[in-house]
Amino acid sequence: EDQVTQSPEALRLQEGESSSLNCSYTVSGLRGLFWYRQDPGKGPEFLFTLYSAGEEKEKERLKATLTKKESFLHITAPKPEDSATYLCAVPTMEYGNKLVFGAGTILRVKS
Amino acid sequence: IAGITQAPTSQILAAGRRMTLRCTQDMRHNAMYWYRQDLGLGLRLIHYSNTAGTTGKGEVPDGYSVSRANTDDFPLTLASAVPSQTSVYFCASSPSGTGAYGYTFGSGTRLTVV
Repeated sequence: EDQVTQSPEALRLQEGESSSLNCSYTVSGLRGLFWYRQDPGKGPEFLFTLYSAGEEKEKERLKATLTKKESFLHITAPKPEDSATYLCAVPTMEYGNKLVFGAGTILRVKS
Repeated sequence: IAGITQAPTSQILAAGRRMTLRCTQDMRHNAMYWYRQDLGLGLRLIHYSNTAGTTGKGEVPDGYSVSRANTDDFPLTLASAVPSQTSVYFCASSPSGTGAYGYTFGSGTRLTVV
């Protein structure tokens, strides 16, 4: 069974304190890994897609990296507006290549 | 603004009642999806449609049905609601159902079954 596990469940940072979120996956043949941001009361918003080990993508203070077993979302010098739940997902053969999501990491950045 | 519209935004429903959650997209995406989101469990796929006229079952399809009469609309029906269907429901779409594209999500419907 394809699975996605995210850690930690919650993370509290001070403004400017860099850190990383982890997404580990077990799938039969990775066809991509997706990162989303979700604000309270809203739907997930697409951030990045990574397709192969060694690939990196950046957007403002966020950088996503991918290995053969996991992905990291690095947050550099975060600001309070980076507070959100971050979700990762992979396509699964089990449901016709539909995305299966991790439970998410709740990030709170305090000023 | 291009995207996905879900209605209603929230609803309190008596157990045993029938309810249809509406979802409309204006991006001409071929694939559409319904997920439910529960605390600690994340997003779980209920049903999907790769193209108009076709549908498929996801991880948690029991108690739900869908139809895809045209490209834009993908309603989700609860035939006889039960309290365990209390959740936030998200509709999403993507250009194709191959898994190669990110999904665009709606803002969700918060459903409480009492």
